[in-house]
Amino acid sequence: DADVTQTPRNRITKTGKRIMLECSQTKGHDRMYWYRQDPGLGLRLIYYSFDVKDINKGEISDGYSVSRQAQAKFSLSLESAIPNQTALYFCATSDNGGSTPYEQYFGPGTRLTVT
Amino acid sequence: RKEVEQDPGPFNVPEGATVAFNCTYSNSASQSFFWYRQDCRKEPKLLMSVYSSGNEDGRFTAQLNRASQYISLLIRDSKLSDSATYLCAVRKAAGNKLTFGGGTRVLVKP
Repeated sequence: DADVTQTPRNRITKTGKRIMLECSQTKGHDRMYWYRQDPGLGLRLIYYSFDVKDINKGEISDGYSVSRQAQAKFSLSLESAIPNQTALYFCATSDNGGSTPYEQYFGPGTRLTVT
Repeated sequence: RKEVEQDPGPFNVPEGATVAFNCTYSNSASQSFFWYRQDCRKEPKLLMSVYSSGNEDGRFTAQLNRASQYISLLIRDSKLSDSATYLCAVRKAAGNKLTFGGGTRVLVKP
């Protein structure tokens, strides 16, 4: 089974709808991240969380919100989806100690289309 | 100037050849460096971490040049399966966030 899972894998929604993307991990990592990827723009950080009580904005947080329900779960919400939020969304995790504390491991991604 | 920059390519490489490409970063305080491989529409997968001057893993070698602020990835004896986009990621001294480059596309051809 995959260590980092994301649901749904694909979603088409209409402008103005609320949508939630979910991420779960079994790696036991404390740190979780949400990125979006657009062609030619690489990965951009939306939000990140270093533990259940810690939430931080990334470089492009406007229009998004997150919830860290548990150590293993981190969800991303689009309160009112707009077409320019059409992108590939990735969740990632990293450890907070050990020999490789900064390496991030990614989920399979959610392809979101807003029409 | 972007914090992390990569030549988007594509680098067209004959099978069996060697290819190298760079990733430049603007923040001299950057501490850790990573190369990820991403196949089309799939998640990035960690290829190599570089915490000091470089790292080698089989056919892949990463070299860090702090003076010129770039990190390179060299692939020897290229395989068709090496065709992918290679993302560079950089961590600054403070915090655990990574900044990603836009990726370099590599196409290995028979």
